[in-house]
Amino acid sequence: GAGVSQSPSNKVTEKGKDVELRCDPISGHTALYWYRQSLGQGLEFLIYFQGNSAPDKSGLPSDRFSAERTGGSVSTLTIQRTQQEDSAVYLCASSPVQRGDTQYFGPGTRLTVL
Amino acid sequence: AQSVAQPEDQVNVAEGNPLTVKCTYSVSGNPYLFWYVQYPNRGLQFLLKYITGDNLVKGSYGFEAEFNKSQTSFHLKKPSALVSDSALYFCAVRDIGAAGNKLTFGGGTRVLVKP
Repeated sequence: GAGVSQSPSNKVTEKGKDVELRCDPISGHTALYWYRQSLGQGLEFLIYFQGNSAPDKSGLPSDRFSAERTGGSVSTLTIQRTQQEDSAVYLCASSPVQRGDTQYFGPGTRLTVL
Repeated sequence: AQSVAQPEDQVNVAEGNPLTVKCTYSVSGNPYLFWYVQYPNRGLQFLLKYITGDNLVKGSYGFEAEFNKSQTSFHLKKPSALVSDSALYFCAVRDIGAAGNKLTFGGGTRVLVKP
């Protein structure tokens, strides 16, 4: 079946602009995660959605970052007033509900802030 | 808190030789452990996981990993490496007792298999 999809695959923006990154999880997966992969910081957890529960936002690096998940499916990660240090690959993953279940990753969105 | 260490930034191996990628972890309780592989300009691809049961876990593409609780390790192994195994490998852990489901990743190990 279809895997996790993300769009756009690449995004170049100017410092100070807002960007939106989209994630479509695997159908039927109730959990959705955002991670960031950057050269200096490796792979970092950003935010986690599980069903209708309040999201775990503990990994968001600043209040410029926010995410929402509409209808328990598609998610959008928004970065306001982008900074050069936001340049990274943003990865989305989804998994079924059990705690031991595997997270399946999308191809990522490469964000470059000029 | 949970953490993962991959002590080698890069591993070089000749094709046909055994491949080992090291991983050690730290959790306050019991771990769920995962290995992922990343090819250039691609997302992370799941290889295998340890949840419970047999300490030796077999996964995709001939890879296996051994959970060693006393040494808090989960090394990835392949008996005979292929050039196509050249990629970036990540070990990840989740503390079973911790709230939330986030994975904590190691820094990654680049594997280069030479023909």
